[in-house]
Amino acid sequence: DGGITQSPKYLFRKEGQNVTLSCEQNLNHDAMYWYRQDPGQGLRLIYYSQIVNDFQKGDIAEGYSVSREKKESFPLTVTSAQKNPTAFYLCASSPFLIRDVSYEQYFGPGTRLTVT
Amino acid sequence: ILNVEQSPQSLHVQEGDSTNFTCSFPSSNFYALHWYRWETAKSPEALFVMTLNGDEKKKGRISATLNTKEGYSYLYIKGSQPEDSATYLCAFPPSESGGSNYKLTFGKGTLLTVNP
Repeated sequence: DGGITQSPKYLFRKEGQNVTLSCEQNLNHDAMYWYRQDPGQGLRLIYYSQIVNDFQKGDIAEGYSVSREKKESFPLTVTSAQKNPTAFYLCASSPFLIRDVSYEQYFGPGTRLTVT
Repeated sequence: ILNVEQSPQSLHVQEGDSTNFTCSFPSSNFYALHWYRWETAKSPEALFVMTLNGDEKKKGRISATLNTKEGYSYLYIKGSQPEDSATYLCAFPPSESGGSNYKLTFGKGTLLTVNP
């Protein structure tokens, strides 16, 4: 089945440690995204990538880093510089067939990160 | 960051009731509006992507309308069922994104609970 996988589902880390969240898709989508959800807030965009080896900062990129070495994979690293890393993280992907056309996004199941 | 408002924040209805909720967005430089359904313990899934003023889309008992001139979209659920219980999110690309979906701005969502 085509879809997006995120692992692990739950992740616990000590403060000061970097942690990498995995996101893989087999939908052959060019664009991929990372969002963060906090209680009482909408999904906020962290980083996005339109094509392999290229990515852009979203609205809350500080303290995060990404890479896009393969079309299928878009890992997110939460660094020790992120002041409030405890949150629910969602990865998504979408086609990029025609610029200026808005395509629906397909989401993974999410990773809940807790940093203590 | 654009201001996307959804109301109400939460809603409780009885099975069989019809219901609707609202997404408000800035009406200038409109490109598209997305609706997503997010059930507990599942991934958000796209319901509709709407692009034209006056657009009306339907999927089963769920339908949506769009008014780009006044900046709102309604989502309707006819004959609500317990399985409709979910958070309904709306989102749209800000004008500086060139209309592409790369920088979707999400509302906080409407949490619908359908009681049997």
